[in-house]
Amino acid sequence: AQSVTQLDSQVPVFEEAPVELRCNYSSSVSVYLFWYVQYPNQGLQLLLKYLSGSTLVKGINGFEAEFNKSQTSFHLRKPSVHISDTAEYFCAVRQGAQKLVFGQGTRLTINP
Amino acid sequence: GAGVSQSPSNKVTEKGKDVELRCDPISGHTALYWYRQSLGQGLEFLIYFQGNSAPDKSGLPSDRFSAERTGGSVSTLTIQRTQQEDSAVYLCASSQWGSTGANVLTFGAGSRLTVL
Repeated sequence: AQSVTQLDSQVPVFEEAPVELRCNYSSSVSVYLFWYVQYPNQGLQLLLKYLSGSTLVKGINGFEAEFNKSQTSFHLRKPSVHISDTAEYFCAVRQGAQKLVFGQGTRLTINP
Repeated sequence: GAGVSQSPSNKVTEKGKDVELRCDPISGHTALYWYRQSLGQGLEFLIYFQGNSAPDKSGLPSDRFSAERTGGSVSTLTIQRTQQEDSAVYLCASSQWGSTGANVLTFGAGSRLTVL
């Protein structure tokens, strides 16, 4: 079964610094990968998704992720973060026809 | 409605009591999911419904947990004889059915369950 591993449970960074949140997946077949974000006291919302095609995927709020098949990774990046990016970020992979399996989440904290 | 609606937003119950959590998905979304979010545990898949097909119950942690979806719309997650380890935020999501992975889950704000 497909699964994802988020390597960092917490990532603190300073405002305007770049950030990378790591996600590795396990799959021997083609994958559909997602990043969701959960702002404090809110529900999850989709940041971006990779289905096929270009390996560099751009999402909302200036985030992007790169699908790397050889390294089975789908890391999320942003060149310059803002206080408002403080949230929990979840990587997910589609398993089977419809189910999404999520990682354990990475809490991103932005310090002024 | 405009989004996925869950109720109650907060529920405090005593150990051993039964609880029901409700989810009203986006109109027209044929797929409905339940996940559990515990502190430090990420999102744990519980169950999903797709149209009239048999639900995928593979994530339900025990037979105390059950869910139904009436009329292809509203869903109720029931936890019988609650235990303290059931304390978590229960998230519902819905999506349109798609033959590709393009389906995007829209989540509700969750129901926070606290078992004393």
